Amino acid sequence: DSGVTQTPKHLITATGQRVTLRCSPRSGDLSVYWYQQSLDQGLQFLIQYYNGEERAKGNILERFSAQQFPDLHSELNLSSLELGDSALYFCASSPSGTSSSEQYFGPGTRLTVT
Amino acid sequence: AQSVAQPEDQVNVAEGNPLTVKCTYSVSGNPYLFWYVQYPNRGLQFLLKYITGDNLVKGSYGFEAEFNKSQTSFHLKKPSALVSDSALYFCAVSPISSGSARQLTFGSGTQLTVLP
Repeated sequence: DSGVTQTPKHLITATGQRVTLRCSPRSGDLSVYWYQQSLDQGLQFLIQYYNGEERAKGNILERFSAQQFPDLHSELNLSSLELGDSALYFCASSPSGTSSSEQYFGPGTRLTVT
Repeated sequence: AQSVAQPEDQVNVAEGNPLTVKCTYSVSGNPYLFWYVQYPNRGLQFLLKYITGDNLVKGSYGFEAEFNKSQTSFHLKKPSALVSDSALYFCAVSPISSGSARQLTFGSGTQLTVLP
């Protein structure tokens, strides 16, 4: 158990809908990362927050947004969902936002868009 | 832009034999290098990392990796494979730099199967 929690574990929704994925980092970790894992794209970095501030942005679509709250939990919002958004979404955390820090991954949220 | 290549989608090895999972990288400047493992229906778990210093890095569960700057490689190794090592292995790279390019880039993954 990494100490990173993600809810929900599974999510099934229809095209055009909006969903929110939630992540609680390990105790004491200030940085949160979001990743998307799919068969065709592999593991893609989406976005990083550090202590409430956006730190780095990757291949995140404009339909997707995220935020990190004062208690350090983070939410990833996915809107106008398309079939291609079906994937496993991981949250990870690390003590600092530096690139030398290992990241600790949550169990993921499996999103199915029908 | 940084990139990671894992040339083998699948590696099969007999239990007790040594195993190697290959990784090469491309990054501007010096890299930070990582190996992660993913078991079915689980998140990724950190195995080991190279930051600086000794080119041979030891990690969890008896795994080690050798950083080779001239060949831009960071192969994962274990002297004696266990059936329980069967999983999906990811190599990842991050540049030693400031700014927004600090994100971790993952390879496509290598499925390791250890046969009893």
